[in-house]
Amino acid sequence: AQKITQTQPGMFVQEKEAVTLDCTYDTSDQSYGLFWYKQPSSGEMIFLIYQGSYDEQNATEGRYSLNFQKARKSANLVISASQLGDSAMYFCAMRELNTGFQKLVFGTGTRLLVSP
Amino acid sequence: DTGVSQNPRHKITKRGQNVTFRCDPISEHNRLYWYRQTLGQGPEFLTYFQNEAQLEKSRLLSDRFSAERPKGSFSTLEIQRTEQGDSAMYLCASSLESRGRGDTQYFGPGTRLTVL
Repeated sequence: AQKITQTQPGMFVQEKEAVTLDCTYDTSDQSYGLFWYKQPSSGEMIFLIYQGSYDEQNATEGRYSLNFQKARKSANLVISASQLGDSAMYFCAMRELNTGFQKLVFGTGTRLLVSP
Repeated sequence: DTGVSQNPRHKITKRGQNVTFRCDPISEHNRLYWYRQTLGQGPEFLTYFQNEAQLEKSRLLSDRFSAERPKGSFSTLEIQRTEQGDSAMYLCASSLESRGRGDTQYFGPGTRLTVL
């Protein structure tokens, strides 16, 4: 069964510094997708970045990059040059691509607080 | 480009009442998903539609829950005989079937249900 583990309930970072949010996953499927979403206090889940299991390069989207280590089954999110508006919950999620199922499985999230 | 919209944003009801939520997906998206999120947890998958066909249902979707997507456009989620345990944020997402980017799901703002 697929599972996502986020071991950091909360993280603190100063504005303009970089921060890494951890995510490990478990799946028996060889083909899968990994996603990171941001959830501000308003509640909406905002898609940040996607990494496919067969992608050779780590994904990047602006200030977000994904440190994908397939052998270790980890997909950590790196946010560079943190901004006050980055304060939010961050969720890692996975979808198995060979099973035919479309559901995303989420971790429990990490709350990021960015201080001035 | 209009995102996913959900109505109402908040719903307070008494135990035993029926409630119905609506989701309007991004216009060209043929896939639609419902998730439930309780406090301190990541979203949990409830059900999935491809066009008007309901193709996946979670065991979380008890017989008090029903979802429809007539004509493959908007979707409704109805909860009958609500219980206090149904209090949660109900999130809708949509995606465009594609091989790239793992069929990324884009979420709406959610409907927060409180059952008194």
